[in-house]
Amino acid sequence: EAGVAQSPRYKIIEKRQSVAFWCNPISGHATLYWYQQILGQGPKLLIQFQNNGVVDDSQLPKDRFSAERLKGVDSTLKIQPAKLEDSAVYLCASSSGWENEKLFFGSGTQLSVL
Amino acid sequence: AQSVTQPDIHITVSEGASLELRCNYSYGATPYLFWYVQSPGQGLQLLLKYFSGDTLVQGIKGFEAEFKRSQSSFNLRKPSVHWSDAAEYFCAVKSPGRRALTFGSGTRLQVQP
Repeated sequence: EAGVAQSPRYKIIEKRQSVAFWCNPISGHATLYWYQQILGQGPKLLIQFQNNGVVDDSQLPKDRFSAERLKGVDSTLKIQPAKLEDSAVYLCASSSGWENEKLFFGSGTQLSVL
Repeated sequence: AQSVTQPDIHITVSEGASLELRCNYSYGATPYLFWYVQSPGQGLQLLLKYFSGDTLVQGIKGFEAEFKRSQSSFNLRKPSVHWSDAAEYFCAVKSPGRRALTFGSGTRLQVQP
């Protein structure tokens, strides 16, 4: 089966610019997650969707970050305006939504903010 | 709030030697516990998971982990390390009823020939 697809693979922008990341989860997976992984740290949850509804966005910096999953399939994560500290790998993951089902991760988008 | 601690930032072992990576969690009850591996440029891959039952869990690539409730630990082990095991390893917890994972800060494993 196809895995979680993310694009772009790399992105370099200057601070105060905007950027968007795209994720296509595994077909049929109801739950989609965006994680931020800063160099030297573990992934940190930004937002969790169940179908097209937000389940948890408590750690999303809502003044600059936004995410949507309009049709309950693919998702976009946007940063506007970007700050230097947003440099990180942005990981998308999906799961079927069952309690014990594992998460499948994409390869991530590496963002560098200069 | 649940949290995960991986006390070792970086570990170096010789190829063929045994390996133990430490993980401690903080949670009121028994959470669901996971170990993931991340190779450079790769996504996170699940090695093994513990939900309940037998406290010694077998995973892929010859890894195993043991849940010890009294120590709030879930250490990852492998009897003989291969050069291809060099990667970053993350311990993670999930509260029953909550699907998102909370990750530790990771342990980078280097394997010497």
